[in-house]
Amino acid sequence: ETGVTQTPRHLVMGMTNKKSLKCEQHLGHNAMYWYKQSAKKPLELMFVYSLEERVENNSVPSRFSPECPNSSHLFLHLHTLQPEDSALYLCASSQVLGAYGNTIYFGEGSWLTVV
Amino acid sequence: AQSVTQPDIHITVSEGASLELRCNYSYGATPYLFWYVQSPGQGLQLLLKYFSGDTLVQGIKGFEAEFKRSQSSFNLRKPSVHWSDAAEYFCAVSAYAGGTSYGKLTFGQGTILTVHP
Repeated sequence: ETGVTQTPRHLVMGMTNKKSLKCEQHLGHNAMYWYKQSAKKPLELMFVYSLEERVENNSVPSRFSPECPNSSHLFLHLHTLQPEDSALYLCASSQVLGAYGNTIYFGEGSWLTVV
Repeated sequence: AQSVTQPDIHITVSEGASLELRCNYSYGATPYLFWYVQSPGQGLQLLLKYFSGDTLVQGIKGFEAEFKRSQSSFNLRKPSVHWSDAAEYFCAVSAYAGGTSYGKLTFGQGTILTVHP
């Protein structure tokens, strides 16, 4: 139990579907992140929120749409995805923004398969 | 730009043997350094971190790491490996880039550890 909970843990969706990944942190943190982990590639930072404001969109295609309604919740809305978007999506949080003298804590991840 | 290199993609050790996983970073000043572990199908768990002070850092599960500035390294060690240590290990570095930037976390490619009985 890391204090960062992700649901669903596994998701299979068609290319025309719309689905969402949910993340909730119980640590009282002010920053939240979405990372993508694909096979044989380093972890890729996708989005960063600090105090519910987006501070980073790391050139992510618009078919991924994040939402941070409050400092405890983060969503990743998915629509018209491609098979190459199949990956493990990791949510993370930290007390303050960034990992410079600060620790980022990760959730268990959501496995996404696009068919 | 900061970067992290884990030279070993895959390491195999016998249970009870010692372990050292290598990590080299590239950054001009002193970075903040982390080791995370990822068990199959799971997220990343923080093993240990170095921010400042003693260059030998103790972590969870009996792991330790040593920061060597002269070698730009932060190698992870464990004196006696258990079968449950089989996982993928990621070294990560954070550094301040100045101005209004924040400390982004840069990960290495990961090292997969296999433990033989």
